[in-house]
Amino acid sequence: AQTVTQSQPEMSVQEAETVTLSCTYDTSESDYYLFWYKQPPSRQMILVIRQEAYKQQNATENRFSVNFQKAAKSFSLKISDSQLGDAAMYFCAYRTATNFGNEKLTFGTGTRLTIIP
Amino acid sequence: GAGVSQSPRYKVAKRGQDVALRCDPISGHVSLFWYQQALGQGPEFLTYFQNEAQLDKSGLPSDRFFAERPEGSVSTLKIQRTQQEDSAVYLCASSGRLAGGAQYFGPGTRLLVL
Repeated sequence: AQTVTQSQPEMSVQEAETVTLSCTYDTSESDYYLFWYKQPPSRQMILVIRQEAYKQQNATENRFSVNFQKAAKSFSLKISDSQLGDAAMYFCAYRTATNFGNEKLTFGTGTRLTIIP
Repeated sequence: GAGVSQSPRYKVAKRGQDVALRCDPISGHVSLFWYQQALGQGPEFLTYFQNEAQLDKSGLPSDRFFAERPEGSVSTLKIQRTQQEDSAVYLCASSGRLAGGAQYFGPGTRLLVL
């Protein structure tokens, strides 16, 4: 079974600075998807960024980028120019690339990010 | 619809009561998922449908939990004889064939069993 580990329960960053959230995973599969989701306090889970394992290029979405190291099974999220609205719980998630019958997401335990004004 | 919707948003039940939680997925999304999220934890998979077929129910914690999606759109998660340990946020998510694996979540139903 796949597992996802987020070793940083809490992180904080000064507004406008850059922060990196760590995620490692364990799988025997070669093709899969990785995601970062953001969950603000009492609000719904929002997709931040998505990476396909067969693509070597790291995904980027505006201020959010990932460092995907397939051999090391590492998938970190970098947030540049941190803003107050980035404060949230961040979850790393894994999904196999097999489409039929096995689409569930496996989540890590999350990292709570605090932005210091 | 514009997004995944869930109702009710909050539910308080007495131990032993039955509850039903509803999920309306994004229009046209064929896959629908239910997750359980305990306080301060990541979501845990419960069950998943592709259209009306329940393809995986391996995460349902007991036979008190039952989910259905009879017409391939709206889904209901039913919990019979609720217990205090069922208190959690229940999240619904949906994805389409072209979504590239991404799931889109609803706001969740917060269930408190007293």
